[in-house]
Amino acid sequence: QSALTQPPSASGSPGQSVTISCTGTSSDVGDYDYVSWYQQHPGKAPKLMIYEVSKRPSGVPDRFSGSKSGNTASLTVSGLQAEDEADYYCSSYAGSNNLGVVFGGGTKLTVL
Amino acid sequence: EVQLVESGGGLVQPGGSLRLSCAASGFSFSTYWMSWVRQAPGKGLEWVANIKQDGSEKYNVDSVKGRFTISRDNAKNSLYLQMNSLRAEDTAVYYCAREVRPSKGGSWYGDWGQGTLVTVST
Repeated sequence: QSALTQPPSASGSPGQSVTISCTGTSSDVGDYDYVSWYQQHPGKAPKLMIYEVSKRPSGVPDRFSGSKSGNTASLTVSGLQAEDEADYYCSSYAGSNNLGVVFGGGTKLTVL
Repeated sequence: EVQLVESGGGLVQPGGSLRLSCAASGFSFSTYWMSWVRQAPGKGLEWVANIKQDGSEKYNVDSVKGRFTISRDNAKNSLYLQMNSLRAEDTAVYYCAREVRPSKGGSWYGDWGQGTLVTVST
């Protein structure tokens, strides 16, 4: 399977909002509402931030939100804080014939 | 609190073997699919393999087929990855992850271990 496409970088100032896109195909992002997003700080393990396109696990601030339109999913971080600076990866379920998930290449979010 | 603790990584020569382990606690291990996900240095995440709750179904990415074998021991709350015929391109941090797979469909990773580094080099 092909990786999902994310911009390599994104940035914003504290308090601002930033949106990271994740583009797939009609076989993954476009066909299923099972997009998830992970945050990864340097040297740390990934952390689930969003699942099923827009749901937040317990403990994830509501500053993080997800959405999807067609083959493109998006993660929006509102009210940027310094601790939001990290790499963000999207992933999508790609159907029962593909038992893993497909990941995006990652986006480095910089808080200016 | 969910804990996933990987071990077994290290430096190995091309063509060699390693067995990774993941000790799970804080959740009902036997009721979840489990996965291995890797991350090459400076690169993104890549799903490697996963295994059903009772071990009856196992899948892996094409690049490791015939070389890597995933297994689990529910009595020991442990997940394993046997890696044979290792190549330089297998160099990565290997994460153990608790996979959430609702009956309606879908898949994501609810919890991750801290990872163990595998380096394949002469």
